[in-house]
Amino acid sequence: DIQMTQSPSSLSASVGDRVTITCRASQDISNFLAWYQQKPGKVPKFLIYAASTLQSGVPSRFSGSGSGTDFTLTISSLQPEDVATYYCQKYNSTPLTFGQGTKVEIK
Amino acid sequence: QVQLVESGGGVVQPGRSLRLSCAASGFTFNIYGMHWVRQAPGKGLEWVAVISYDGSNKYYADSVKGRFTISRDNSKNTLYLQMNSLRAEDTAVYYCAKGRRGDWNDVFEYWGQGTLVTVSS
Repeated sequence: DIQMTQSPSSLSASVGDRVTITCRASQDISNFLAWYQQKPGKVPKFLIYAASTLQSGVPSRFSGSGSGTDFTLTISSLQPEDVATYYCQKYNSTPLTFGQGTKVEIK
Repeated sequence: QVQLVESGGGVVQPGRSLRLSCAASGFTFNIYGMHWVRQAPGKGLEWVAVISYDGSNKYYADSVKGRFTISRDNSKNTLYLQMNSLRAEDTAVYYCAKGRRGDWNDVFEYWGQGTLVTVSS
């Protein structure tokens, strides 16, 4: 099975900072990569699909890039409401595996 | 608006069975793939199972294969997860999720609020 590895596991940044989260697949998954945001105590929210396509209603400060095995989620200017755990997920084949998550906090 | 409402969770002894339901509304249920995703307390997300729009394709995580069965009733706009031979490690919040498309290899576009399953003696 293809493994999804996120880095870092957690990060702390200041409001307004640019934040980058990396997701690496153990094999080529083309662009079959999605990102989710889960705020504390809340249901996960779908952010990005096809590695870089923003879901409707998601703020434009979020962006995704990458293909093959290396992907990134970038928050261009971190806001207090972005405190959450972010997960990547591959969907080229089953199992539809998630990364282990990256917890983003405000410094 | 899309609504997914899970039910059927609770406390169950190891080795017993439980059936979860997910009532869907606000979209044309019979053209979308549907998923179950779970999250153990304090842990990350784990995909459990998917069923295609017409029920013809079903896939499972290795951790539940042979014990769990996903099904759907398109006439009732309802998704199910039959869970047999439950283990302590199945303890989690179980989310029902709608796909973006009808097939199985998909993302989780909308999520329900989840239902907690606790497996304990």
